[in-house]
Amino acid sequence: AQSVSQHNHHVILSEAASLELGCNYSYGGTVNLFWYVQYPGQHLQLLLKYFSGDPLVKGIKGFEAEFIKSKFSFNLRKPSVQWSDTAEYFCAVNARNTGFQKLVFGTGTRLLVSP
Amino acid sequence: GAGVSQSPRYKVAKRGQDVALRCDPISGHVSLFWYQQALGQGPEFLTYFQNEAQLDKSGLPSDRFFAERPEGSVSTLKIQRTQQEDSAVYLCASSLWAGGTQETQYFGPGTRLLVL
Repeated sequence: AQSVSQHNHHVILSEAASLELGCNYSYGGTVNLFWYVQYPGQHLQLLLKYFSGDPLVKGIKGFEAEFIKSKFSFNLRKPSVQWSDTAEYFCAVNARNTGFQKLVFGTGTRLLVSP
Repeated sequence: GAGVSQSPRYKVAKRGQDVALRCDPISGHVSLFWYQQALGQGPEFLTYFQNEAQLDKSGLPSDRFFAERPEGSVSTLKIQRTQQEDSAVYLCASSLWAGGTQETQYFGPGTRLLVL
């Protein structure tokens, strides 16, 4: 079974600071990796996803994530955060070759960006 | 429709009551998922439908939980004899196809259930 760890539960940054949110997964097979975001009062929406190819993937709103297979990691980054990035961020994984789409989520990281 | 919708948005139930939560997926989406999100946790998978067929119900926590999607569109999650530990946000998601694990799941706003 897959599991996902997000070690930073709460992060507070000032605008223009750089962001890196950690995500590690545990699974013996091939995985697809996702980052979802939930802005205050809104529903979960996809930021980016990785399933093959270039391990550095770019998503919406200037976010990117790098898949490092040897470290079982898929950290989310943004060079310069904005107040509007205040949200909760969830890393998720599913097993690629099982045919099952169900996602396994981490516990989430709450990001607060102060203006 | 424009997105996944869920109703009601909030539900307060007394312990022992039955509740029914509705999900309207994006029109034409084949796959439908239910997740449960407890306070301070990430969503946890409950069950999955491909059209009207329930192909995976491995995440349902007990036989008090029942889901259906009789016509392959709208889905209902029913919880019988609710318990306080059922208090959570119940999320519905849909995706266009069933064949690939790389499909993007589109989430609804959730139903926040509070059992007193």
